[in-house]
Amino acid sequence: DAGVTQSPTHLIKTRGQQVTLRCSPKSGHDTVSWYQQALGQGPQFIFQYYEEEERQRGNFPDRFSGHQFPNYSSELNVNALLLGDSALYLCASSLVTSGYTDTQYFGPGTRLTVL
Amino acid sequence: AQTVTQSQPEMSVQEAETVTLSCTYDTSESDYYLFWYKQPPSRQMILVIRQEAYKQQNATENRFSVNFQKAAKSFSLKISDSQLGDAAMYFCAYRKETSGSRLTFGEGTQLTVNP
Repeated sequence: DAGVTQSPTHLIKTRGQQVTLRCSPKSGHDTVSWYQQALGQGPQFIFQYYEEEERQRGNFPDRFSGHQFPNYSSELNVNALLLGDSALYLCASSLVTSGYTDTQYFGPGTRLTVL
Repeated sequence: AQTVTQSQPEMSVQEAETVTLSCTYDTSESDYYLFWYKQPPSRQMILVIRQEAYKQQNATENRFSVNFQKAAKSFSLKISDSQLGDAAMYFCAYRKETSGSRLTFGEGTQLTVNP
């Protein structure tokens, strides 16, 4: 059973650039959530996609945007990168329609460094 | 807004001994879920254990068990017979009962296991 996958593993960008991170959910899952984890801190919720729409959003600026494709995979886009955007970006997938606890399962993350 | 607090930034335990990690949370909801996730140096966030707030019985998963005190809003994790592979950052997380809701994480506890 394929788990959550993310690409790339590492990424280095400079201030002002744009970046796209990718996530494929666990087989059978239909919902993708994105989290930002700064060094030494707990993950912070960015947004969640279900049925190709953004369903929930955390306290992040509009520079952070996303997309979900018909196959449930998702992209996270960050424009006009700032030094403070350097972090580990985690993708988590879940099944909303399970009728039970839709536990979120995480991918290995993408380490973004902004210089 | 819900908050999750882990008051122990670091903990250490001897191999084969027992250790307890603490977590408190604040919510006005009556139905919710609580989780412990483990994040080893590989960065992959791994689900350790899950507790439904409506269940009085404490969850157990092999060597991992929780002490859930709903009135006190406390959710501690006990690791028995600690193993070297248990060394990791442990995060406590909260989620509303509503399907698909975001996870709110604590700041984490770094667990060291000494041989």
